[in-house]
Amino acid sequence: AQSVTQLDSHVSVSEGTPVLLRCNYSSSYSPSLFWYVQHPNKGLQLLLKYTSAATLVKGINGFEAEFKKSETSFHLTKPSAHMSDAAEYFCVVSGRSILTGGGNKLTFGTGTQLKVEL
Amino acid sequence: NAGVMQNPRHLVRRRGQEARLRCSPMKGHSHVYWYRQLPEEGLKFMVYLQKENIIDESGMPKERFSAEFPKEGPSILRIQQVVRGDSAAYFCASSPPLPEKLFFGSGTQLSVL
Repeated sequence: AQSVTQLDSHVSVSEGTPVLLRCNYSSSYSPSLFWYVQHPNKGLQLLLKYTSAATLVKGINGFEAEFKKSETSFHLTKPSAHMSDAAEYFCVVSGRSILTGGGNKLTFGTGTQLKVEL
Repeated sequence: NAGVMQNPRHLVRRRGQEARLRCSPMKGHSHVYWYRQLPEEGLKFMVYLQKENIIDESGMPKERFSAEFPKEGPSILRIQQVVRGDSAAYFCASSPPLPEKLFFGSGTQLSVL
């Protein structure tokens, strides 16, 4: 069984200040973890993913996330927010489908709405 | 190189009607996934299909919902006798044969009146 908890449903920051979106997960095995971003009226876009390589993962648009096994966390950060970062962010944990060796059954968090103010 | 295409973008149905949502995966992708996003909730897995086969439908409601991915043509998510609770955004994703990264479509917003 796996689950993911996004601790904040809404985060508001000023442009140019750091961004922190928090995510905790639970998984009965070594997980793969992802952050996706959803802009209004657009599809989901992969920001970054962790798959048991380096614990600090760099993604697109200046975002990065650190996998901390001891804290079961995978928080998303960015040093300086931009207006275009305003969107909904989803933390996701991946589990292989038990019915096949392939497949990718993702469990999504409830999302964090990031608001960026001038 | 088109991404995952979903249509229609918006679909309005009255209670009791049928809704058909289409998803064309990226070229070369043989795996399709359907997710549902209810208001104020995260995305929830519904079904995973390969060409002509349903691999995992553990997230599909037992009644009224069905999915297919024929040899030719798009994947179809079909909802019969829609109810207001079916109103949601439905996302399709596709992946290549060695899946780890999913590519998502823009979703279909279903509104049931």
